[in-house]
Amino acid sequence: GAVVSQHPSRVICKSGTSVKIECRSLDFQATTMFWYRQFPKKSLMLMATSNEGSKATYEQGVEKDKFLINHASLTLSTLTVTSAHPEDSSFYICSARSGRAYEQYFGPGTRLTVT
Amino acid sequence: DQQVKQNSPSLSVQEGRISILNCDYTNSMFDYFLWYKKYPAEGPTFLISISSIKDKNEDGRFTVFLNKSAKHLSLHIVPSQPGDSAVYFCAATNSGTYKYIFGTGTRLKVLA
Repeated sequence: GAVVSQHPSRVICKSGTSVKIECRSLDFQATTMFWYRQFPKKSLMLMATSNEGSKATYEQGVEKDKFLINHASLTLSTLTVTSAHPEDSSFYICSARSGRAYEQYFGPGTRLTVT
Repeated sequence: DQQVKQNSPSLSVQEGRISILNCDYTNSMFDYFLWYKKYPAEGPTFLISISSIKDKNEDGRFTVFLNKSAKHLSLHIVPSQPGDSAVYFCAATNSGTYKYIFGTGTRLKVLA
């Protein structure tokens, strides 16, 4: 149980285009989903927290107009990187939790490369 | 300000021996701690967790110890196996936000 999927697993896009990444909880309802970013050989940095049906809460320093998050249902959250630039190239990982549980279950991640 | 730190970036251990990974935190508001294992280009996998009301939690080969006064936790893996080779992250959170603050990670290599 507690499986989280992400799609796509990797994407290459041109500078200036937008990219959407999907995160799905496959076998549970996720009341909260989180989006992280990991730079090479670095820790996971929380970008934003999203609760189903409400606006995402962004961490300090994360541009909400650049990283659009939608949590339309209890099993799906999307992250759209708008007008991507090479510095947005990174490994993006989502996670999901349900109810009052502390544990988050992570997706396999998406490697974004902006050329 | 790094609220959660793993001061050893890497650790090598012989197969069959004990691996001890350490984690320090600064925020006394954290009330729950977790350990995750991560391979390159994959998401973290949950290993074991501990509430701040406990000082030890055990699950098979994995044991987590929490010393609240020292703001320190450790993960013991015994016996270590080559398949345990990965990067290990500790994470801290609290029931107010449920947001994780991750440590910087320790790369464990178990030598056969």
